[in-house]
Amino acid sequence: DGGITQSPKYLFRKEGQNVTLSCEQNLNHDAMYWYRQDPGQGLRLIYYSQIVNDFQKGDIAEGYSVSREKKESFPLTVTSAQKNPTAFYLCASTARLSYGYTFGSGTRLTVV
Amino acid sequence: DQQVKQNSPSLSVQEGRISILNCDYTNSMFDYFLWYKKYPAEGPTFLISISSIKDKNEDGRFTVFLNKSAKHLSLHIVPSQPGDSAVYFCAAERAQGGSEKLVFGKGTKLTVNP
Repeated sequence: DGGITQSPKYLFRKEGQNVTLSCEQNLNHDAMYWYRQDPGQGLRLIYYSQIVNDFQKGDIAEGYSVSREKKESFPLTVTSAQKNPTAFYLCASTARLSYGYTFGSGTRLTVV
Repeated sequence: DQQVKQNSPSLSVQEGRISILNCDYTNSMFDYFLWYKKYPAEGPTFLISISSIKDKNEDGRFTVFLNKSAKHLSLHIVPSQPGDSAVYFCAAERAQGGSEKLVFGKGTKLTVNP
């Protein structure tokens, strides 16, 4: 069954620690995206990648980093520089020249 | 600058009645529009879409209308069911010559009361 897997579903970290969120897809999609959802803010784009070994900043990239070493994987690192990291994080992918995204089930990150 | 706007944060309707969710956009280069449905603590799921060459697309209880001159689209759900209670996101894309990046509205929380 093809899809996007985000892990873990819930993640707790202490303030000041870096944390990496996993996103894996077996849909053979070229493009992958990371969004953050906060109450009343909708979905805000953090980073996206349209091809392996290439990625671009989205609207709220500060305090985050990504890598795209494999087509299937697009991990997101939330660094200690991110001032308000507690949020629900969503990964998505799409095939080139097709429309719409397939989303993962999300990771709820709580920093204490 | 918000390119896709959903001006109603919430909407409440009775079961069996029509739900109408609205969305406005500012970028005239957008040529493909989508609606996603999202339950709490889950990823959004695709609901229905419409290309700018059409003004209506229907799928079962869901119909999306596009008014290009007004840069407005709406999602109609008839009849509404309690299971439709969720947050609905409108999204737009410049599919032709664009960067394959969806722009989302902030969402409208629909509550369907039994």
